[in-house]
Amino acid sequence: GIQVEQSPPDLILQEGANSTLRCNFSDSVNNLQWFHQNPWGQLINLFYIPSGTKQNGRLSATTVATERYSLLYISSSQTTDSGVYFCALEETSGSRLTFGEGTQLTVNP
Amino acid sequence: DAGVTQSPTHLIKTRGQHVTLRCSPISGHKSVSWYQQVLGQGPQFIFQYYEKEERGRGNFPDRFSARQFPNYSSELNVNALLLGDSALYLCASSSLGQPMGEQYFGPGTRLTVT
Repeated sequence: GIQVEQSPPDLILQEGANSTLRCNFSDSVNNLQWFHQNPWGQLINLFYIPSGTKQNGRLSATTVATERYSLLYISSSQTTDSGVYFCALEETSGSRLTFGEGTQLTVNP
Repeated sequence: DAGVTQSPTHLIKTRGQHVTLRCSPISGHKSVSWYQQVLGQGPQFIFQYYEKEERGRGNFPDRFSARQFPNYSSELNVNALLLGDSALYLCASSSLGQPMGEQYFGPGTRLTVT
C-alpha cells in the first residue's frame, strides 16, 4: 500500500509564528486531505487538495502531485491551532484513506 | 445541515463481550467508512460501504463486521472484544463511492475494553 510520511512529528511555536508541515507520499493518489484533530478527537477538514494551491484564512496548502508531496502552511499561529495535523491520501485503487502519523503542534502564548 | 453523527460517545466493555457502534452520514451521502484510531497513531481503515455494498476492507480480523442500511446509516460490530480493541472509532461519509471524494468525519466513539 501507499506510504505516507509527515514531518516534523512534533512542533512547538510561540503565538504569532509561522510554520510549514510536510507530507510525502509514495504513489499516485486520487485525493489528499489535511485534517486538524482537536483534543476531543474530532477530525476537522482543513483542505481537500489532490493538486494545486488553496488558501483559507491563515492556512494554506499546496500539493505537487508529480513530486508526491504536500505542504500545509500556518501563519500567525494562535493557541487554538494546537493539536494534531494529519495528512490522508486516497490511493488510485480507491475505497480508503491512508493517514500519516501526524504532526503534534503546540502553540504557546 | 447536520454533520456525521455517531453513537454512543463513550463505551466501556469487558473482554469477550460484543459491541455495536452506529453512524449516520451527512444527508445525501451514500458512502460510509469506518476507522480505528489507537492512542498516538493515525486512524486505520476498517471498512467502506457504498450503496449498501462493501467496497473495501482493511487488515482487521473477522471479529470486525459492518453493514449499511437502506437509509445509508451504518453499524460496526466487534465480537469477542480484546484489550487491544480499546480505541477511538471514527466514521466518515462522502457523496461518492470510488474515488471517494472529500471525506467528512464524525466525533467518534471512544471504546474502552477492560
